[in-house]
Amino acid sequence: RKEVEQDPGPFNVPEGATVAFNCTYSNSASQSFFWYRQDCRKEPKLLMSVYSSGNEDGRFTAQLNRASQYISLLIRDSKLSDSATYLCVVRGSSASKIIFGSGTRLSIRP
Amino acid sequence: IAGITQAPTSQILAAGRRMTLRCTQDMRHNAMYWYRQDLGLGLRLIHYSNTAGTTGKGEVPDGYSVSRANTDDFPLTLASAVPSQTSVYFCASSEDGAGEQFFGPGTRLTVL
Repeated sequence: RKEVEQDPGPFNVPEGATVAFNCTYSNSASQSFFWYRQDCRKEPKLLMSVYSSGNEDGRFTAQLNRASQYISLLIRDSKLSDSATYLCVVRGSSASKIIFGSGTRLSIRP
Repeated sequence: IAGITQAPTSQILAAGRRMTLRCTQDMRHNAMYWYRQDLGLGLRLIHYSNTAGTTGKGEVPDGYSVSRANTDDFPLTLASAVPSQTSVYFCASSEDGAGEQFFGPGTRLTVL
């Protein structure tokens, strides 16, 4: 089993739809969690950190479920510009303990 | 310089040649990282450095070496390139070993 798993997609949804992704992790000692966005042939960019209490940034909401060991990302009122690959990142206590998921591809259609 | 830069942008290299990928950040971040990204495998950590003067091995360190002589620079060297090292290489930095990472634009390397 991979340490961090994501549904690769692609998710193909119409503009304005709500879409959600999950990311599961295997190491219960993981300490910090992030969602990154990566556009085609570009570098990953931080979308948002994921806090234990959940957090929201505009149309984006991230949740952490430590008991079931997954994080989620919800995108409301999706825009064409949301089309990208979304990477979840799970970090441990040291710089070497960082695992990226393989990413979930999202395509928003007009 | 603003943020983190990498050079070259892309490179085609003959197998057996030595190659150094450069990475420089101006954010005074303590930690720096090198990743490779291959289709279907996501980003994999090659080497990292928690602070200037220290380095450590990541998930896929074989065939690569790094040095961290100062805070800003973190070069990655392929001593004798092989075709399996064809990949996109990303350098990243973070303020410390647990926080969010900022990525450079990447280097596309093709080893023939």
